[in-house]
Amino acid sequence: DGGITQSPKYLFRKEGQNVTLSCEQNLNHDAMYWYRQDPGQGLRLIYYSQIVNDFQKGDIAEGYSVSREKKESFPLTVTSAQKNPTAFYLCASTPYMNTEAFFGQGTRLTVV
Amino acid sequence: AQSVAQPEDQVNVAEGNPLTVKCTYSVSGNPYLFWYVQYPNRGLQFLLKYITGDNLVKGSYGFEAEFNKSQTSFHLKKPSALVSDSALYFCAVRDGGNAGNMLTFGGGTRLMVKP
Repeated sequence: DGGITQSPKYLFRKEGQNVTLSCEQNLNHDAMYWYRQDPGQGLRLIYYSQIVNDFQKGDIAEGYSVSREKKESFPLTVTSAQKNPTAFYLCASTPYMNTEAFFGQGTRLTVV
Repeated sequence: AQSVAQPEDQVNVAEGNPLTVKCTYSVSGNPYLFWYVQYPNRGLQFLLKYITGDNLVKGSYGFEAEFNKSQTSFHLKKPSALVSDSALYFCAVRDGGNAGNMLTFGGGTRLMVKP
């Protein structure tokens, strides 16, 4: 089955730690995105990538980093510089601009 | 900069009644517009999109949306609501005239359908 896989589903982080959220797609899509969703709120764009080895900051990139070494993978690192990382993180991909985005099932990150 | 507004945090309707979830947008170029639905602790599922052509687009689960260029709106509608339609709905826009590929979402509207 083609799709987007995010792992882990739940992640706990101690204060001061970096953690990496995985996002893998086998849809052969060029563009990939990371969004943050806070309770009862909308999606805010963290980073996006249109091609391998290239990515752009979204609206809330501070405290996050990404890489795009392979077309199918777009991992997100939540660094210790992100002061309020507890949220639901969603990864998405899309083949072209005029097509819909496909979403993973999300990773819920909690700081303990 | 592109943006999307969903003016209602929550919409309440009775089962069997028509429903409307509102969305307005702002982009520099041609708008590519999308509606998604989200169930608790899940990713977003695509419902429908407007790229070009007829202003009334039909999508999954009996939903439809009307593109209105003069009002910069893309409201989601359904003639007869079901309790199972209760979920969080997101409108999104991409600037079709922009070489970039950024997809911007509205804040979401929670739809509650009561039996």
